[in-house]
Amino acid sequence: SQQGEEDPQALSIQEGENATMNCSYKTSINNLQWYRQNSGRGLVHLILIRSNEREKHSGRLRVTLDTSKKSSSLLITASRAADTASYFCATDPGGSYIPTFGRGTSLIVHP
Amino acid sequence: EAGVAQSPRYKIIEKRQSVAFWCNPISGHATLYWYQQILGQGPKLLIQFQNNGVVDDSQLPKDRFSAERLKGVDSTLKIQPAKLEDSAVYLCASSLGQGATDTQYFGPGTRLTVL
Repeated sequence: SQQGEEDPQALSIQEGENATMNCSYKTSINNLQWYRQNSGRGLVHLILIRSNEREKHSGRLRVTLDTSKKSSSLLITASRAADTASYFCATDPGGSYIPTFGRGTSLIVHP
Repeated sequence: EAGVAQSPRYKIIEKRQSVAFWCNPISGHATLYWYQQILGQGPKLLIQFQNNGVVDDSQLPKDRFSAERLKGVDSTLKIQPAKLEDSAVYLCASSLGQGATDTQYFGPGTRLTVL
């Protein structure tokens, strides 16, 4: 079973709008990472947030983590057509070294 | 810096045949991962190497899948015999260390179709 589950499964927006996707997980973690996967390509690491952090920023990306709710969100501001991709969260359940990915959110940004 | 290389990019075989995939990680990266990604799902870890030793292979179907990382550099993943449900993209990734905070760098993947 997947440790992390992204929501929504699919998201379609217009260029310039913000995109928010969420990740919920079941067991305690030490770290949570977000990855992007363009169609037919490998995954690209976006950002890591540790369990003692609540928010991190990287360019147009903003990630929050709420360990009490076992959830994280990824916000992409001022989206571009090039942001069209699938986004995955990956956790280290129970602090293990085994990275566990969710099913992903498919984001389509219309120009 | 060169990325993670994988070959072949695409492979079509019939069930019960054998297939092998090759991965060349980023130079100097001690940890290498093989993932299976079925269409519409996230990657599932099959095996994780630290240098040439296995860290975790708990999700590797050992009756048909095998992997090795000779000399702690390149790695091969083999399926013998293949089943229809093995159709997926097989991703290789590498990281500098083994820690959960280490960034994984992914190759482009090998898309396997089993007929």
